[in-house]
Amino acid sequence: EVQVVESGGGLVQPGRSLRLSCTASGFTFTTYTMSWFRQAPGKGLEWVGFIEDKGHGGATEYAASVKGRFIISRDDSKSTAYLQMNSLKTEDTALYYCTKGGHADYWGPGTLVTVSS
Amino acid sequence: DIQMTQSPSAMSASVGDRVTITCRASQGISNSLGWFQQKPGKVPERLIYAAATLESGVPSRFSGSGSGTEFTLTISSLQPEDFATYYCLQHNSYPYTFGQGTKLEIK
Repeated sequence: EVQVVESGGGLVQPGRSLRLSCTASGFTFTTYTMSWFRQAPGKGLEWVGFIEDKGHGGATEYAASVKGRFIISRDDSKSTAYLQMNSLKTEDTALYYCTKGGHADYWGPGTLVTVSS
Repeated sequence: DIQMTQSPSAMSASVGDRVTITCRASQGISNSLGWFQQKPGKVPERLIYAAATLESGVPSRFSGSGSGTEFTLTISSLQPEDFATYYCLQHNSYPYTFGQGTKLEIK
């Protein structure tokens, strides 16, 4: 059974950093792109970015709203993807989802990030 | 960036009704589009990929069509469990973009 579970969310002050983890199981992690999405409270869905599998070059892409502040990485030995979030802003407050694949075919339950002083 | 214009933003319908939701892309995206259902307080689930291919386990009353700039999600006979918000997502070019969502309420 495919499972994707996010962790690492919490309350953080503006300007600080936070790292989210996404641990996967039930599929061959090394052959899949892993993506991050987010949803601000009461709002719609937003694509954050992704990291390709190493077989496709391991490239990353980001939304303009996070480019230069967020970094996506992966550790294939741990079947885990990461979202390093730096210089956090109040508008980054959201439920962050990790998904299997570049086109979001399977979503984790999400982890809540609240950016507030 | 490709803008996805989804309509309607909200609607109410009765059990058994046929419902159609539309997404229009600001430029051609071939068939690089998925449809997602999100029930209140729940995780989004992909219903359809490649514009018209039903995910395994999704009821056959859901269908998708379209290519290029205009896409539709159709629910042929609405069921009470279909109360949800629906989103389209284009993944033809970066940044990937969602429609603003359609909130479907059951009359």
